Amino acid sequence: QSVLTQPPSVSGAPGQRVTISCTGSNSNTGAGYDVHWYQQLPGTAPRLLIYGNSNRPSGVPDRFSGSKSGTSASLAISGLQAEDEADYYCQSYDTSLSDYVFGAGTKVTVL
Amino acid sequence: EVQLVQSGAEVKKAGESLKISCKASGYKFTTYWIAWVRQMPGKGLQWMGIVYPGDSDTRYGPSFQGQVTISADKSITTAYLQWSSLKASDTAMYYCARRIATSSGYYMDVWGKGTTVTVSS
Repeated sequence: QSVLTQPPSVSGAPGQRVTISCTGSNSNTGAGYDVHWYQQLPGTAPRLLIYGNSNRPSGVPDRFSGSKSGTSASLAISGLQAEDEADYYCQSYDTSLSDYVFGAGTKVTVL
Repeated sequence: EVQLVQSGAEVKKAGESLKISCKASGYKFTTYWIAWVRQMPGKGLQWMGIVYPGDSDTRYGPSFQGQVTISADKSITTAYLQWSSLKASDTAMYYCARRIATSSGYYMDVWGKGTTVTVSS
């Protein structure tokens, strides 16, 4: 069981908007720790997509956006493209576990 | 350009020892923690631990304490992950990543390409 809960999969047609939720608890996201998102394309290493809940690193398209409220965060992909097919992971820090925690990952499929 | 270059794939037998590496370049190695992350076949990401190359301070995730050793050699800007006695369950992809700390958390901004470790029983 992952400490951060994500849906196993989401899908959408090209051009559509999809969102991925990430729900934690009072010892991680609810304790004020930021949520960060990583994209893992098939057969490649993870890549930082969103940091500090809603910030995009240089080079990440503005189609990707993040938000956080309370114990939950979400990643939105607008204008979905075939190249967005990947696994997406949220990550935070858990003060009770003294551990960096990841969600189990969400597979995005472009129909 | 900030880069982390990991050592090549390893195939080992259970009970053998192993040390894999992660060479950093493009930034001041001694001022950022380096994290190790495991990804078992078909599974998600698990944080294993971190090392601060400036003074070799090390922290381990609860599931990995006592199971692996993380270290760094600042003279050659390289971090290491090692096992003294591998198990078949150590079969996985291992990533190193540079850790960034903020006032409200931690994240990994640059990742290596990964090292595949296969352990046969």
